[in-house]
Formats: sequence, C-alpha cells, structure tokens
Amino acid sequence: AQRVTQPEKLLSVFKGAPVELKCNYSYSGSPELFWYVQYSRQRLQLLLRHISRESIKGFTADLNKGETSFHLKKPFAQEEDSAMYYCALGDDKIIFGKGTRLHILP
Amino acid sequence: EAGVAQSPRYKIIEKRQSVAFWCNPISGHATLYWYQQILGQGPKLLIQFQNNGVVDDSQLPKDRFSAERLKGVDSTLKIQPAKLEDSAVYLCASSSRGGSETQYFGPGTRLLVL
Repeated sequence: AQRVTQPEKLLSVFKGAPVELKCNYSYSGSPELFWYVQYSRQRLQLLLRHISRESIKGFTADLNKGETSFHLKKPFAQEEDSAMYYCALGDDKIIFGKGTRLHILP
Repeated sequence: EAGVAQSPRYKIIEKRQSVAFWCNPISGHATLYWYQQILGQGPKLLIQFQNNGVVDDSQLPKDRFSAERLKGVDSTLKIQPAKLEDSAVYLCASSSRGGSETQYFGPGTRLLVL
C-alpha cells in the first residue's frame, strides 16, 4: 500500500542551524515525491518536487530509493521558514503525510 | 492568475444538519479535488473530478457526502447529515491535467459540527 510517513510532528531549530525534515514512503514502482508547505494564514502550496531537482528558498530534497526516503534539507534555517511541511507521494493521485511543524527559534 | 476560491470560510452546524461547500477552480484547470483535513493530519482526498466526471471517490463516505461538478467548472461538496467527526477543514484544489501535476489549493472551509 502507498504510504507517506513523517516521523516528527514538531521540529524546533535555531536560526542559522541546519534543518532536516524527514519523510519515508512506501510505494511499489517509481514514485513522484513532493514537499508542500503551509505558512501561517496562507494556503497550502507546492515547495518542490523531486523530478525538478531544484532548490527552492534554499531547500533541497533528494530521493533515496534504497532508503525509501525524501528528506527536506536546508543548510541555514531562517525565521520565515517556520511553517507546516507536508511530504506527498504522487501516482494517479497525491497522498499526503501527516505533516511536520517547523519552528525556527530566534 | 486568480487562485482557487472557496466559500464559506467558516461554518458551524449541529450534528444531523446538512451543509454545502462551494469551490471555483483556477480557470482552465480540468482537474478538481476535494480534501478533508482533520486537525493534526494531512489532507485526505475525498473526490477527484476530471472535467465533470468522477475519477476517484474511493474515500468519500457516500452515505452522507456527495459532490458534483455539473459544468466542469465550479463544484459543490455536501454533507447530509453531518456527524461530529466531520469537523475538519475542507480543501479544494485544482490542477491543469491531474495525475501528479502541481495542485493549487484554496483557502479551505473550516467546519465545526456541534
């Protein structure tokens, strides 16, 4: 069965420190993976998708098929990164994880 | 480009009452989705339309939930009768072609069932 697991409900990181939001998936085949983000009082929106292999707002995510992971990383956290982050798996539909709240401490 | 519009933004009803939500997708987007997001969880797909046809409604509680997209544009989601466990944010999203295309989300409707 297709499944997305985000093990951390809340992650608190000091400003300037590295950030890693964990995501593991279960999928038979070649997955398409995404990170969506929801900033306070804003809509849920796409942050990045693995096929683009791009860096958005300093965030990157690498698909590791061996570990079935798609962790989101940023080398230096900024206060504006505080938000809710959802990992998602795409097939004929998109399945979302439960989300991780990232809190950047000043 | 105007975003996905939803109304109402908030709704409070008593259990066993009925409620309806409206969604207007981004112009030209063929695919429309309704999600239910219960507090502390990620969005769960309820129903997906491609134009005015249903692609996936496997997780829609059909005994109480219904949705339509008659002209392939706007959509309504109805709950009748509502239960306490229906309290959630109902999100509408649209994409140009469906599949794993980028989805654009509306602001959501926050429903509280008392």
